[in-house]
Amino acid sequence: DAGVIQSPRHEVTEMGQEVTLRCKPISGHNSLFWYRQTMMRGLELLIYFNNNVPIDDSGMPEDRFSAKMPNASFSTLKIQPSEPRDSAVYFCASSSGQGVGGYTFGSGTRLTVV
Amino acid sequence: TQLLEQSPQFLSIQEGENLTVYCNSSSVFSSLQWYRQEPGEGPVLLVTVVTGGEVKKLKRLTFQFGDARKDSSLHITAAQPGDTGLYLCAGPPGGSRLTFGEGTQLTVNP
Repeated sequence: DAGVIQSPRHEVTEMGQEVTLRCKPISGHNSLFWYRQTMMRGLELLIYFNNNVPIDDSGMPEDRFSAKMPNASFSTLKIQPSEPRDSAVYFCASSSGQGVGGYTFGSGTRLTVV
Repeated sequence: TQLLEQSPQFLSIQEGENLTVYCNSSSVFSSLQWYRQEPGEGPVLLVTVVTGGEVKKLKRLTFQFGDARKDSSLHITAAQPGDTGLYLCAGPPGGSRLTFGEGTQLTVNP
């Protein structure tokens, strides 16, 4: 398996623009997680899905953030409009079962909003 | 306030030295996991500890889960430059999601 695949690896955008991050989880994994990592706050859970259904989105910072999982092999995280404080590395992770067995992370998307 | 507190935050040592990093909480966890993250990559799972008092070894790395399941430690023997990275502990505070500590940034100098 190729692992969790995220795209793009790097994204530089201007404030106010829409940004879409993409994730392909490991085949057969039924849980998918979006995290944001910054120096100040570490790894923060934004949202997670189980069997394509959003279970907990309490970590989504504002209405500007939205996430979808239209099928078991694809998820998106969208920021509209983007702001400089959204600059961070965004990780997608997937797991089987309830996730307690460990997550497999993608390589992340480094987002810079100028 | 972090649910999982890791210490030290930064550690720089010479090759061949031993070290221990800690992960502490006031809450009881059903399990704890340790990950290592290298620059430009996502965290990679090293181990999961489940039973209070459990000790697991992974080559030169020894992981221990506290008897009360509120803390864990990672001990590295004879550290090598390849051990350099961010070490993260994580646990499920409830449900299926994981919460992460802020990590210990380890640098092993040749």
